[in-house]
Amino acid sequence: SQQGEEDPQALSIQEGENATMNCSYKTSINNLQWYRQNSGRGLVHLILIRSNEREKHSGRLRVTLDTSKKSSSLLITASRAADTASYFCAPALYGNKLVFGAGTILRVKS
Amino acid sequence: GEEVAQTPKHLVRGEGQKAKLYCAPIKGHSYVFWYQQVLKNEFKFLISFQNENVFDETGMPKERFSAKCLPNSPCSLEIQATKLEDSAVYFCASSADSTGGTEAFFGQGTRLTVV
Repeated sequence: SQQGEEDPQALSIQEGENATMNCSYKTSINNLQWYRQNSGRGLVHLILIRSNEREKHSGRLRVTLDTSKKSSSLLITASRAADTASYFCAPALYGNKLVFGAGTILRVKS
Repeated sequence: GEEVAQTPKHLVRGEGQKAKLYCAPIKGHSYVFWYQQVLKNEFKFLISFQNENVFDETGMPKERFSAKCLPNSPCSLEIQATKLEDSAVYFCASSADSTGGTEAFFGQGTRLTVV
């Protein structure tokens, strides 16, 4: 079965609000990566957090990692309509093999 | 190049025909990965390469699927005798190495439709 499981499956918010997506996984990881996919297009790499890191920021993105709970969260602050997309967490196993969940569909209404 | 380039963007094959997909990784990246995404849902790992050597093929179906990464050529994923269930978007990714701090960058994918 897939390692990464995102929660919620879908999220609808107003522009300017914050969006939080959670991810759980099952085994030990090298790192965890978050990706965005706009409808029908390729994956855009957002952020990577190493297994020995607890929090990382990039612009409006904040990612946390709790290896004891095998969970991660992605926070997008001050959301914009352009943030509408599917978001995937991808725990990286040995050899940088990524194991994806089903993703969270984020809709930001303007 | 500076991005992972996949060709073709779209491919339509009749059941039983062969399909061949190509991927040029980012220059300097020594790891290449293939993933299959069915119906915009989960991504299934198929295979990875370290340069021209198979690194991990645990996700490859035993029959009909094969892949290669030869020196000075794009990597390829070939499906012999396609089936309807092979319809999916196939993504290629590359990374500089396989250590804990290396991002994997994805191409735009090849949408395979088997009719």
